[in-house]
Amino acid sequence: AQTVTQSQPEMSVQEAETVTLSCTYDTSESDYYLFWYKQPPSRQMILVIRQEAYKQQNATENRFSVNFQKAAKSFSLKISDSQLGDAAMYFCAYRSFDNAGNMLTFGGGTRLMVKP
Amino acid sequence: AAGVIQSPRHLIKEKRETATLKCYPIPRHDTVYWYQQGPGQDPQFLISFYEKMQSDKGSIPDRFSAQQFSDYHSELNMSSLELGDSALYFCASSLGLMLGELFFGEGSRLTVL
Repeated sequence: AQTVTQSQPEMSVQEAETVTLSCTYDTSESDYYLFWYKQPPSRQMILVIRQEAYKQQNATENRFSVNFQKAAKSFSLKISDSQLGDAAMYFCAYRSFDNAGNMLTFGGGTRLMVKP
Repeated sequence: AAGVIQSPRHLIKEKRETATLKCYPIPRHDTVYWYQQGPGQDPQFLISFYEKMQSDKGSIPDRFSAQQFSDYHSELNMSSLELGDSALYFCASSLGLMLGELFFGEGSRLTVL
């Protein structure tokens, strides 16, 4: 079974600065998806960014980018020019590429605080 | 764009009562997932359906059951409720079993007194 680990329960960043959230995972599969989801106080899970394991290029979505290291099984999220609205819980998630276990497996989450 | 719709948004029940949560996936999405998120915890997978058939089963108690109907909406039935069932229940949908991300609803918050 796959496991996802987020080693930082809490992080804080000054507004307009950059922060990196860490995620590692364990799998024996070669093809899979990785995601970062954001959960603000409203509690809805919002997709931030996705990465297909077969793609070598790191995904980027505006101020959000990832550093995907497949060999190291690492998938960190970088938030540039942090904004107050970025404050939330961030969950790293893994999804298998095949029929078995196609659900998302989440990490324990990192609470990001943004200081004005 | 249409999103995943969950109802009710909030539900309060007594111990040993029964609760039913509903989920309406994004149009044309044929796969539905249920997750349970306790206070301060990450979401835990309960069960999923693809084309009205159970696809995968996670840590769903025997007191819970679920199904997906012909219009692809899904219902999660919870019986003999316990205090520990108090949680946020998310439904998510996707197009197919293997394609990309899951889209989440806003969740149904169940409180068991």
